[in-house]
Amino acid sequence: EIVLTQSPGTLSLSPGERATLSCRTSQSVTTTYLGWYQQKPGQAPRLLIYGASTRATGIPDRFSGSGSGTDFTLTISRLEPEDFAVYYCQQYGTSPYSFGQGTKLQIK
Amino acid sequence: QLQLQESGPRLVKPWETLSLTCTVSGGSISSTSYYWGWIRQPPGEGLEWIGSIYYSGSASYTPSLESRVTMSIDTSKRQFSLKVNSVTAADTAVYYCARQDYYYGSGSFDYWGQGVLVTVSS
Repeated sequence: EIVLTQSPGTLSLSPGERATLSCRTSQSVTTTYLGWYQQKPGQAPRLLIYGASTRATGIPDRFSGSGSGTDFTLTISRLEPEDFAVYYCQQYGTSPYSFGQGTKLQIK
Repeated sequence: QLQLQESGPRLVKPWETLSLTCTVSGGSISSTSYYWGWIRQPPGEGLEWIGSIYYSGSASYTPSLESRVTMSIDTSKRQFSLKVNSVTAADTAVYYCARQDYYYGSGSFDYWGQGVLVTVSS
């Protein structure tokens, strides 16, 4: 099983700041098969990024994804109040399709 | 707009079978471009993929649950289902159904149900 490790566990920032979230995989993952999700309390996860860098439908361009191999990054260029949530990375190229443990982005 | 809705008992006794159904509306469940998956999230914890099923009935499961899980699909009803047998408290979680998109997203989960909390308790 491919293990995904996200860092940091919690990130405290202010609106307007830049957020950088990391996802490392235990084996190389083809960029095609790496995604990022946002989850707010009491809600289902929402797909933000697929293919490591492609924004899903309706996702603002302040969200961007990058990376390759075993190191991937989600960047939020300027935080809006609605961006404070938990973020998960996921690989869906090799079964079982595993998720990272999540990064909680909270208001400083 | 595609919508998914989970339904089923919210309380299951230990060692019994958890059964959930996901009803798909606003789109076809028989498309060759999609799989249909179940993901769960224990309270306060992260996400775990349980398994995915194709419209043909072909399914794959996570190894840790494979011996206890069965998924099925009924295209005429636009529904797919999950059964987990011999449940314990460790199976208490919010269960989500979701669409796995192989047309654009190469297998990412692009549409999700709202989720249902299933509690295992006597």
